[in-house]
Amino acid sequence: DQQVKQNSPSLSVQEGRISILNCDYTNSMFDYFLWYKKYPAEGPTFLISISSIKDKNEDGRFTVFLNKSAKHLSLHIVPSQPGDSAVYFCAATLAGTASKLTFGTGTRLQVTL
Amino acid sequence: AAGVIQSPRHLIKEKRETATLKCYPIPRHDTVYWYQQGPGQDPQFLISFYEKMQSDKGSIPDRFSAQQFSDYHSELNMSSLELGDSALYFCASSYSPGQGTNYGYTFGSGTRLTVV
Repeated sequence: DQQVKQNSPSLSVQEGRISILNCDYTNSMFDYFLWYKKYPAEGPTFLISISSIKDKNEDGRFTVFLNKSAKHLSLHIVPSQPGDSAVYFCAATLAGTASKLTFGTGTRLQVTL
Repeated sequence: AAGVIQSPRHLIKEKRETATLKCYPIPRHDTVYWYQQGPGQDPQFLISFYEKMQSDKGSIPDRFSAQQFSDYHSELNMSSLELGDSALYFCASSYSPGQGTNYGYTFGSGTRLTVV
């Protein structure tokens, strides 16, 4: 039972344009969400997170939007850079406790010149 | 800044052998998590420890065991290895309690286990 899903396994975006990565979840108990970037044979690197009490969080080129009613979140990268090419995972957990992360299936982003 | 240290980075074992993976969390982090990522798959939670006690358990086979020691480092012991155990094994650490933060949830670089 995949509780966190990323329906686009891959995405190709031109350098300088916006990258939009989507993530859906089914467990309404999740109230804290994170995005990680991962290169092959390396551990996931934290990018940005959002609590369910917010609908937007911004950090530099990265913005995460949360739509609780739709159980949907998205990561926007503007402007996209070639160094952003990697696999992106969204993850969900329960806020207020140091609990396990439930990962999505990942989206491979390719930023082209 | 200190990160989560995992050793070894690569490990090759034969079927039915045993393997021990080690994880050294970020200083002052009190919770350690283990994840398994198979080829082309998302990371799957195995087990976690908070203050040296098991705090949560996921899809960890009975052939695997883990513990957290007094210095907060953790070891994942894997016995009777099978070909299907070949995967990347990640350790992560965090601090608690956390409110509205990522709790410093940081991953190590992983151990690539290959069972032949």
